Amino acid sequence: KAGVTQTPRYLIKTRGQQVTLSCSPISGHRSVSWYQQTPGQGLQFLFEYFSETQRNKGNFPGRFSGRQFSNSRSEMNVSTLELGDSALYLCASSAIPGQNSNEKLFFGSGTQLSVL
Amino acid sequence: AQTVTQSQPEMSVQEAETVTLSCTYDTSESDYYLFWYKQPPSRQMILVIRQEAYKQQNATENRFSVNFQKAAKSFSLKISDSQLGDAAMYFCVLSSGANNLFFGTGTRLTVIP
Repeated sequence: KAGVTQTPRYLIKTRGQQVTLSCSPISGHRSVSWYQQTPGQGLQFLFEYFSETQRNKGNFPGRFSGRQFSNSRSEMNVSTLELGDSALYLCASSAIPGQNSNEKLFFGSGTQLSVL
Repeated sequence: AQTVTQSQPEMSVQEAETVTLSCTYDTSESDYYLFWYKQPPSRQMILVIRQEAYKQQNATENRFSVNFQKAAKSFSLKISDSQLGDAAMYFCVLSSGANNLFFGTGTRLTVIP
């Protein structure tokens, strides 16, 4: 069974550009959540999708958005990039929403975004 | 507010020895879950162990065990018989309330051969 796949692994953008990151969950998993990891702020929750609907959202500006498709694949978009958006973006999947439960999350290896 | 504190940025342990990573947390919720995840250089977060707050018995997974002290809001991870493959960043994680997961700042564990 393939794990959680995130593409691309690395990305370099310049300020003001926009970027789209992709996450394919484990087959059969319908919940996908996104996290931002930076050395200064650590890991912070961005949002969670289940059955194409956003269930929860973290404390990030509206420049950060996402969506989920009928095959459970999810994309995350960041518009008008800022230097501070440089981070490792991790995606996790679970069979059911796992945010406030004991549900095990399976993480991808992340997309390392650098904003110049 | 929910917070997770890991006061040890770095720890080291001799191979085959035992090490304990500390974690304290704060939540006003009565129903919550606690996890330890490890993040090796591959960057992929891997679940090590989990604990339901309503369970008094400490969770154990092979060489990994926790000391869950609910009143003190403490959740430490003990790694026995440490192996080179245990070297990683370890995150204490709280799942609480309706919203999201709360991560500690991590403890980098080095295993010395």
